Amino acid sequence: DTGVSQDPRHKITKRGQNVTFRCDPISEHNRLYWYRQTLGQGPEFLTYFQNEAQLEKSRLLSDRFSAERPKGSFSTLEIQRTEQGDSAMYLCASSSLPGGANYEQYFGPGTRLTVT
Amino acid sequence: GDSVTQMEGPVTLSEEAFLTINCTYTATGYPSLFWYVQYPGEGLQLLLKATKADDKGSNKGFEATYRKETTSFHLEKGSVQVSDSAVYFCASSGVGQGAQKLVFGQGTRLTINP
Repeated sequence: DTGVSQDPRHKITKRGQNVTFRCDPISEHNRLYWYRQTLGQGPEFLTYFQNEAQLEKSRLLSDRFSAERPKGSFSTLEIQRTEQGDSAMYLCASSSLPGGANYEQYFGPGTRLTVT
Repeated sequence: GDSVTQMEGPVTLSEEAFLTINCTYTATGYPSLFWYVQYPGEGLQLLLKATKADDKGSNKGFEATYRKETTSFHLEKGSVQVSDSAVYFCASSGVGQGAQKLVFGQGTRLTINP
């Protein structure tokens, strides 16, 4: 098992452009999470999937953000019409437990987005 | 809503010093509590966890005890090493409907000098 992977690791884009990030979770993990981390802050929850179903979205996830997990495996996070405030590290995590509070999330290395 | 507050950094210590990083949480119930560590250039890694009151999580010489009465989960290590230099994040799981997401503190950057 190679862990959670994310692609790309770095993305520089101009304001107004669309970007898409990919996350590949640990195989057979049925839960996948997206977080955003800005400089000097802790990660903030954006959304999570159980299999292909998106079960919760944070208010941080504006209409310009959309996430999918079409086959319950990898996930994509798209940001449309990027703004400078979208510059951050986007983290993906996955977990295997079906429920309850006793679980562990495994994090990927993140995608660092810079909007110029 | 749920929140986690960590001791502000950065923290600089000499090798073999005693370490404490304070963490307190607010929650309507009894969340699970975690310490994650982020080494330079790497992703977040789970360091230790505790799932109920009075539980002690431990790993790599680090310890933290879930204190319900003070809503705290302070991280301690008796003798730090240069290799412990990293950013440390305290986190809580949600409770009930929010049990799936982690709520993180702002992180504490630790530097250990030889």
